[in-house]
Amino acid sequence: AQTVTQSQPEMSVQEAETVTLSCTYDTSENNYYLFWYKQPPSRQMILVIRQEAYKQQNATENRFSVNFQKAAKSFSLKISDSQLGDTAMYFCAFMKDKPMGSQGNLIFGKGTKLSVKP
Amino acid sequence: KAGVTQTPRYLIKTRGQQVTLSCSPISGHRSVSWYQQTPGQGLQFLFEYFSETQRNKGNFPGRFSGRQFSNSRSEMNVSTLELGDSALYLCASTLLGGNQFFGPGTRLTVL
Repeated sequence: AQTVTQSQPEMSVQEAETVTLSCTYDTSENNYYLFWYKQPPSRQMILVIRQEAYKQQNATENRFSVNFQKAAKSFSLKISDSQLGDTAMYFCAFMKDKPMGSQGNLIFGKGTKLSVKP
Repeated sequence: KAGVTQTPRYLIKTRGQQVTLSCSPISGHRSVSWYQQTPGQGLQFLFEYFSETQRNKGNFPGRFSGRQFSNSRSEMNVSTLELGDSALYLCASTLLGGNQFFGPGTRLTVL
């Protein structure tokens, strides 16, 4: 069974600084997808970034980038130029390659609560 | 394009009752997945529906069930509610091969 571990329950960062959130996962699959989702106090789950395991290049989305280390089963999220609106719970999630007829399901870590301080 | 909508947003029930939650996916999305979020267990997958058929199921008791209609709208039902069913229930819709986009959730409180 796949598991996702986020070892940092809480983190804080000063506005405009850079912060890195850690995530490790365990799987025997070779093809899979990794995600970071953000859940602000409004509770709406928002997709931040996605990484396909077959891609060696790390995904980036504006101020958000990942460091994907497939051999180490590590998938960290770097937030540059942190903004107050980045304050949220961040969840790392794993999805194995979609089984026939299914869109697949996400397996989430327990989350990291990030606070951005002015 | 409108996002995923879930109704109701908040619900209070008592033990033993049953509840039905509704999810309308993004227009054009045919796959709907349901997740339960609790402080203790975190986010857990309940089930997925695609083309009115359950395609995938998580490890939840039979009291949790769902269905999907021809317009891709989905409902989930929980019968004989228990205190431990208090949670945020999230619905996500997916375009074939794409990412899962979540709704705002339904907060269920069981007294």
